Amino acid sequence: QQQVKQSPQSLIVQKGGISIINCAYENTAFDYFPWYQQFPGKGPALLIAIRPDVSEKKEGRFTISFNKSAKQFSLHIMDSQPGDSATYFCAARYGQGNLIFGKGTKLSVKP
Amino acid sequence: NAGVTQTPKFQVLKTGQSMTLQCAQDMNHEYMSWYRQDPGMGLRLIHYSVGAGITDQGEVPNGYNVSRSTTEDFPLRLLSAAPSQTSVYFCASSYLPDTEAFFGQGTRLTVV
Repeated sequence: QQQVKQSPQSLIVQKGGISIINCAYENTAFDYFPWYQQFPGKGPALLIAIRPDVSEKKEGRFTISFNKSAKQFSLHIMDSQPGDSATYFCAARYGQGNLIFGKGTKLSVKP
Repeated sequence: NAGVTQTPKFQVLKTGQSMTLQCAQDMNHEYMSWYRQDPGMGLRLIHYSVGAGITDQGEVPNGYNVSRSTTEDFPLRLLSAAPSQTSVYFCASSYLPDTEAFFGQGTRLTVV
C-alpha cells in the first residue's frame, strides 16, 4: 500500500515531442507528490511538485496532471529537448514526511 | 552555497569491514534522510531524522546505524559491510517534510 508504481521504465522521444511518465499509488494518506530529475553521477533534484487539492500544475515545459479519484499522477514534458535526457522519479509523501519513490524512468530525447 | 555535502564520493570495502558515510548540510534543515539507490529499484529510505537527537528507521534499515548529534550532520554507519550493501547512497535534507528535499552528490560504495 506504500508503493508508488511508475511507468514506463524507459522512454525514447524525438526532439520537440511530448514525454509522458505515469505514476499510480494506493495509499490515500499521501498528500504531497513531487517529481525529481536525476542526471548521471548526480543526486536527484526537485523538478515540480503538486498537492492533491490541485488537478494540474505547470512550470515552463513541465506539467503535472493529478487524478485523485484514480490515484494517478503524471509528468508531461512539452517540446522535449536532448538536455531533458535524464532519469525521472515520481514520489509521494506520508507520515512524518518520508518520501516513497517510484522506480524511475530513463528518458532519452533524440535530436 | 554548499548545500548537502557527502563524503567520500567513492569507497571500496571488504566484507566485514565497517565505515561511516558522512553527510553535512549548511541550510539549517531539521529533516535529514539517507537513501540507497540500486538499478531498477528507485530510491529506498534507510533512516531519517526529524531533528537533532531524533532518528527513526525507514524501509531498509538493517545493517545500518545513524545518529544526529547536531542539526548539520547525519552520518550513516555500516556495521559489518556485506556485498548486498553495494549501492549508491544519497543523503537528503529539507526544511520541512513536505518542502523541497535537497540531495547530496552521492557515495558509490562497493563491497567485495
